[in-house]
Amino acid sequence: DAGVIQSPRHEVTEMGQEVTLRCKPISGHNSLFWYRQTMMRGLELLIYFNNNVPIDDSGMPEDRFSAKMPNASFSTLKIQPSEPRDSAVYFCASSLNQVTDTQYFGPGTRLTVL
Amino acid sequence: AQSVTQLGSHVSVSEGALVLLRCNYSSSVPPYLFWYVQYPNQGLQLLLKYTSAATLVKGINGFEAEFKKSETSFHLTKPSAHMSDAAEYFCAVKTSYDKVIFGPGTSLSVIP
Repeated sequence: DAGVIQSPRHEVTEMGQEVTLRCKPISGHNSLFWYRQTMMRGLELLIYFNNNVPIDDSGMPEDRFSAKMPNASFSTLKIQPSEPRDSAVYFCASSLNQVTDTQYFGPGTRLTVL
Repeated sequence: AQSVTQLGSHVSVSEGALVLLRCNYSSSVPPYLFWYVQYPNQGLQLLLKYTSAATLVKGINGFEAEFKKSETSFHLTKPSAHMSDAAEYFCAVKTSYDKVIFGPGTSLSVIP
């Protein structure tokens, strides 16, 4: 299996621009997670889906962030408009079904907002 | 509220020495506990997990962790450190709200 695929791997953008991060989970996995990692705040869960339905989005920082999962093999995390404080590494992870199942992480997208 | 603490943001050991990374948790429900490892510029990967079976859990790469309910601890150990063990290690716990929260991480350095 190819594992969790994320694109792009690096993104540099200017403040105010829209940013879209993409994720393809492992085939057959029913849960998908978006995390943000920074030095200051560590690893934070932003949102997770089960069977394409958002279950918990309490970690989404504000309305500028939105996430979708239109089908079982694709998810996006969008930031509009982006701000410098959004600079971080964003990880997507998937698991078979339950939150207690092993989560498989993608390589991450390093976002820099200038 | 459930939480995870990891004592020591940075730990250095000599190659061949014992590795001990500490994790304490608070949980109002029987815990599910995890250790994940992150190598530079990579995502996290599971080392091991406790799901209320045996209290001593063996994982990959020679790591193991012992669940101690009385101490609310789940420390990670490895008898002999290898240079390739240098990485960031995260302890995590499943909360009663059915999600997993991660500790702040411990960076392990291995000195040749």
